[in-house]
Parts: sequence; C-alpha cells; structure tokens
Amino acid sequence: SQELEQSPQSLIVQEGKNLTINCTSSKTLYGLYWYKQKYGEGLIFLMMLQKGGEEKSHEKITAKLDEKKQQSSLHITASQPSHAGIYLCGADSQGGGGNKLTFGTGTQLKVEL
Amino acid sequence: DAGITQSPRHKVTETGTPVTLRCHQTENHRYMYWYRQDPGHGLRLIHYSYGVKDTDKGEVSDGYSVSRSKTEDFLLTLESATSSQTSVYFCAIRSGTNSYEQYFGPGTRLTVT
Repeated sequence: SQELEQSPQSLIVQEGKNLTINCTSSKTLYGLYWYKQKYGEGLIFLMMLQKGGEEKSHEKITAKLDEKKQQSSLHITASQPSHAGIYLCGADSQGGGGNKLTFGTGTQLKVEL
Repeated sequence: DAGITQSPRHKVTETGTPVTLRCHQTENHRYMYWYRQDPGHGLRLIHYSYGVKDTDKGEVSDGYSVSRSKTEDFLLTLESATSSQTSVYFCAIRSGTNSYEQYFGPGTRLTVT
C-alpha cells in the first residue's frame, strides 16, 4: 500500500512568517490532495494537484506537485493565527476512477502572535 | 459545504453490539467513501461506493459492512463492535464525474466500551 510521509510532524511559527510542509509518496502519484483540519473537526478541502509541475493557490496557501520526486509541498506566506491546524496530504495511488485515497499522518501547525 | 451530513455525531456503545452510521448527501454524487481516523495512522479507507448497490473494500474493511440502497445514503455497519473500532469516522464524496475532488463530512466519534 502507498505510504505518505509528511514533514515536519509539527511546526511552530511566528505570525507573519512563511512556512513549508512537505508530503512524499513511496509510489506514483495520480492525484495529491491537501486538507486542513482543526482539532475535533472535519477536513476542509484546500486543493488537489494532478499533473507534474502543477501549482495551485488558495488565498495565501500555494501547493506544488513534483511528480518525478513523488512529492508535494504546501507553502504558506505570511502566516496568520487562522492558519493554525493540522494539514493532511492524501494521495490517489491507483489512478482510474476509484479515487481511493491514502493519507499522511498530518503536520500540526501553530502560529504564535 | 458539499451537503454531507453524518449521524449520529457521537455514539458510545458496548463491545459486541451492532452499530450503524449514516452518511447523507443532498447533491446526487455518485462516489461515496467511509474513512476512519486514528492517532498515528491518519485516515484510512474502509469501504467506498461507486453507485447504488455498488460497493468495494478499502484498506481496513474487516469487521465493517456497507450498504447503499439509494444515491443519497451510504451506511456503515459495525457488525459486532470491538474496542479497536473506537475511532472517528468520516464520510466523503467525490464531487463529480469529471472531478476528483473529495469533500468530507463532519465526522462521527464512536467509542466502544
């Protein structure tokens, strides 16, 4: 089965600082998903990447997919307290129509004032 | 908001009892999924459905069954609940035939005592 490794596992940054979270797959990526979760709540869809080199942005969050490296990075610019939470990457390792996702264990982000 | 509701939101049950969790969607999505989330494991796929009466197993399907008799409802049944099934259960939908985006429901916290 596919394994997704996220790094770092946790991160504390000062408000206004930039940060990057990485997600590395042990297998070919057919689709890479980023979600945000606050403790005890559901997952909020951020973005999905499918093609190598693809880059998408959502407000101050940018994600890129490096297909050759089987890796995606999530970059937050000028972090704010509202960015705090757990960031999860998910991947479709099989392609086709099933869209069955496996997930990393998450990166916990805290933003200090 | 992808129009997904889950019920119940919280449940405490005893070992050996059957439990059914319900996922309801209002937007006629074809694909629906059940995941469980546990510390250290991330989210793992239990079962998924690609249409009415069409279901398939995921990574951790043992001890679980599903049914989908109509498009809007996807039921997850724990046939005889065990303490290892204490978890948070999330339902998800795939947003469209030509879209691979997955959106999650609010989750059900199940405790098996």
